[in-house]
Parts: sequence; C-alpha cells; structure tokens
Amino acid sequence: DTAVSQTPKYLVTQMGNDKSIKCEQNLGHDTMYWYKQDSKKFLKIMFSYNNKELIINETVPNRFSPKSPDKAHLNLHINSLELGDSAVYFCASSPIHREAPRETQYFGPGTRLLVL
Amino acid sequence: AQTVTQSQPEMSVQEAETVTLSCTYDTSESDYYLFWYKQPPSRQMILVIRQEAYKQQNATENRFSVNFQKAAKSFSLKISDSQLGDAAMYFCAYRDDKIIFGKGTRLHILP
Repeated sequence: DTAVSQTPKYLVTQMGNDKSIKCEQNLGHDTMYWYKQDSKKFLKIMFSYNNKELIINETVPNRFSPKSPDKAHLNLHINSLELGDSAVYFCASSPIHREAPRETQYFGPGTRLLVL
Repeated sequence: AQTVTQSQPEMSVQEAETVTLSCTYDTSESDYYLFWYKQPPSRQMILVIRQEAYKQQNATENRFSVNFQKAAKSFSLKISDSQLGDAAMYFCAYRDDKIIFGKGTRLHILP
C-alpha cells in the first residue's frame, strides 16, 4: 500500500562494512532520488535516476553507488562505511512530464544508518 | 546558485493559535516550484503544500496557506488553528531542475 518504501528502517553496522539500502515506489513515477539528512537535519540530494538512467550525481564519495534495476527501484550501496556516513537516508520519487518537469517529490520513510 | 533560507530554527505557538514560518530563496529563474514539507518525529517527509511560481494566487490546503511574494522571493507558511499534531520540523524547498531544501524550522505546539 505504501507509495515509496525503503528497507531496512534501521541499520547499525561497523566501520569498513558494505551495506545496501533498498527503495521501491509503486506510483509509476519515472524519477527516483536519494537524499542524505545529517545530524543537523540538513537534507541534501545525492543522486537522481530517470528511467534507470543517472541524471544527477552530486559530489558524493564513490563509495556510494546507486543501482536502478528498473524504474520502480533505486537501491543505494555503500562500500567501506565510515563514521561520517551515519545519517538518515531518504528515497523519493516524482513523475516527469514534459509539460510539468518540476513535479512534487514523494518521500519514503527514511533509513537511519548508524556506523560504529 | 539557488539557495533557500529559513531564518527561524525554532518556533513555538499555543494550540489553536496561528503561526507563520518564514522562507526566502534566491534564484535567477522565473519558472520554478516551491514546497513546504513536514517532518514529524517519525522522520517521514510529508508534503504540506506547493506553489507554482507562475501562479499569483497563494496556495491553500485546509489550515495551511502560503504567502508567496515572487518579487521579494519570499514563501512563508501560515498554519491556522494549530494542533498538537502539527509539531514537527518544517522544510521549505525550491525546485527547478533540482530540489534544494532549507535547514528547517522546528515547530513546537504548546497545549
């Protein structure tokens, strides 16, 4: 029933590990995003995919690699986790239409990542 | 580069009263969207209201309304008849090709 879902909701792991966060949307949207919200609540975009194609790639360490197997899924894989990666990661989706390219984004519930 | 500024890190309002959260932005674009998102303690980001820059009429959603001043690049959110469930972080956001968020305003509702 949930429009944008993420798993897991919480993720606690050790430094140096590799982990993945999954995101799925059942809204039929063409574009999906990953955001990072740090401890100061600042929300910053990391990646954006449109129909499985990367269209936004902000300055993010290459330890972060998004993967989009189809337009309903955008997973985030993180290699060699560091303490500074601790944050809440949000997935979002939006439709893209030629007439209205700046549509509303719908957010998932977030994944709280804690790196020890 | 576009920026979004929320000058009030925290605000408090008495239940049933009205509160206004301020937001200013900077852009050289003429066509864009503005949003207010709510983030309750559950951390989920919930869309509250949105405004198309080409529309002069201020958007309204039930108890939530905006005061959009395009020339002044101001986009404030007014919450009428505040309820305890309105307590949350509120983020102002600007979007043209990318979406940019302000740093948020934490709203406390006093019973």
